[in-house]
Amino acid sequence: TQLLEQSPQFLSIQEGENLTVYCNSSSVFSSLQWYRQEPGEGPVLLVTVVTGGEVKKLKRLTFQFGDARKDSSLHITAAQPGDTGLYLCAVNSNSGYALNFGKGTSLLVTP
Amino acid sequence: GAGVSQSPSNKVTEKGKDVELRCDPISGHTALYWYRQSLGQGLEFLIYFQGNSAPDKSGLPSDRFSAERTGGSVSTLTIQRTQQEDSAVYLCASSPMATFLAKNIQYFGAGTRLSVL
Repeated sequence: TQLLEQSPQFLSIQEGENLTVYCNSSSVFSSLQWYRQEPGEGPVLLVTVVTGGEVKKLKRLTFQFGDARKDSSLHITAAQPGDTGLYLCAVNSNSGYALNFGKGTSLLVTP
Repeated sequence: GAGVSQSPSNKVTEKGKDVELRCDPISGHTALYWYRQSLGQGLEFLIYFQGNSAPDKSGLPSDRFSAERTGGSVSTLTIQRTQQEDSAVYLCASSPMATFLAKNIQYFGAGTRLSVL
């Protein structure tokens, strides 16, 4: 059973469109991270959300942590081709400090 | 270098052979993590080190997989008697210290793409 369910699995949009991707779980988390991974590279941390209901903005990206701290969303406004990549959410594993990742949303933004 | 360095970037091997994958973490980072990324399974944790010790090996899929870290720096992941299902991208990450998520920033290398024929 996957701890973190991400949706959609794939998303292809045109430049300028808005989109939202989701990370859901039945478990409660003290915090959650979002990463972006570009082809041939490792994941890069975008944001950590800690407080239920928290909203964080990173330029055109808006991250929200659910009130119950079981889910999170990432909204991108006016997507650019440079936003193309795999978006991963992650939480601490039960066994300690390692990360437990969702399977990701693969985003393609075409000009 | 400034980032996490992994070598080789690509490795093709024959089924049954042993392989060694290397990770050079960011200088001064005491925590080091190995993950595996495959199409079907996503990104999975394998093992992490704090210094030269491995407090959490829970993700190693079988006893064919082992890892060591020396001098609190370089780490080697060894896969013995490789199988086709071992084909994946093996990613290494490091962080200044092992801690819980809110203060944990892991920096990833670009990975080693392993293909077992």
